[in-house]
Amino acid sequence: AQKVTQAQTEISVVEKEDVTLDCVYETRDTTYYLFWYKQPPSGELVFLIRRNSFDEQNEISGRYSWNFQKSTSSFNFTITASQVVDSAVYFCALSEALSGNTPLVFGKGTRLSVIA
Amino acid sequence: DSGVTQTPKHLITATGQRVTLRCSPRSGDLSVYWYQQSLDQGLQFLIQYYNGEERAKGNILERFSAQQFPDLHSELNLSSLELGDSALYFCASSGGGNNQPQHFGDGTRLSIL
Repeated sequence: AQKVTQAQTEISVVEKEDVTLDCVYETRDTTYYLFWYKQPPSGELVFLIRRNSFDEQNEISGRYSWNFQKSTSSFNFTITASQVVDSAVYFCALSEALSGNTPLVFGKGTRLSVIA
Repeated sequence: DSGVTQTPKHLITATGQRVTLRCSPRSGDLSVYWYQQSLDQGLQFLIQYYNGEERAKGNILERFSAQQFPDLHSELNLSSLELGDSALYFCASSGGGNNQPQHFGDGTRLSIL
């Protein structure tokens, strides 16, 4: 069975600090996708990134970066120079990939509060 | 704007009632997924439709049902509602390609009184 663990329930940082959100996953599939979504206080779920299990290259997008390590089954998310607008709940998710268009298994989420 | 439209945004009803939540996927997306977000269970997958046919089933109660119509919009029907059904219900859609990212609607917040 697939499982996603986000051990950090809540994190509070001061603006401009860097913060890393941890995500550990379990799956028996050899091919899978990992995702991060953001849920701001307004409630919608915003897609941030998808990573294929064959691609362990780290990715950077502006202040966001992601570190995928298959050896430790982790897909961590770092926000550099955090801003108040980054305050949200962040979800890590996993899906099987072989059969295409499969449902997501979500972690419980990490609530990030960035204080001005 | 994700391009996925969910109506209504809020729904308040009583126990024992039946409601219908509606979802219009992004243009061109064939897959529609329904998820439930509650405080105790987190975000859980309910059911998926692909081009009008049921594709996968998750933790969906027998009191709940869904369908996807020829124009690809989908409806989630919840009946014999209980207090515990109060939650945020999300619809997501994705394209026909191999595991395209799912884009989510803004959700329908259901409150059972």
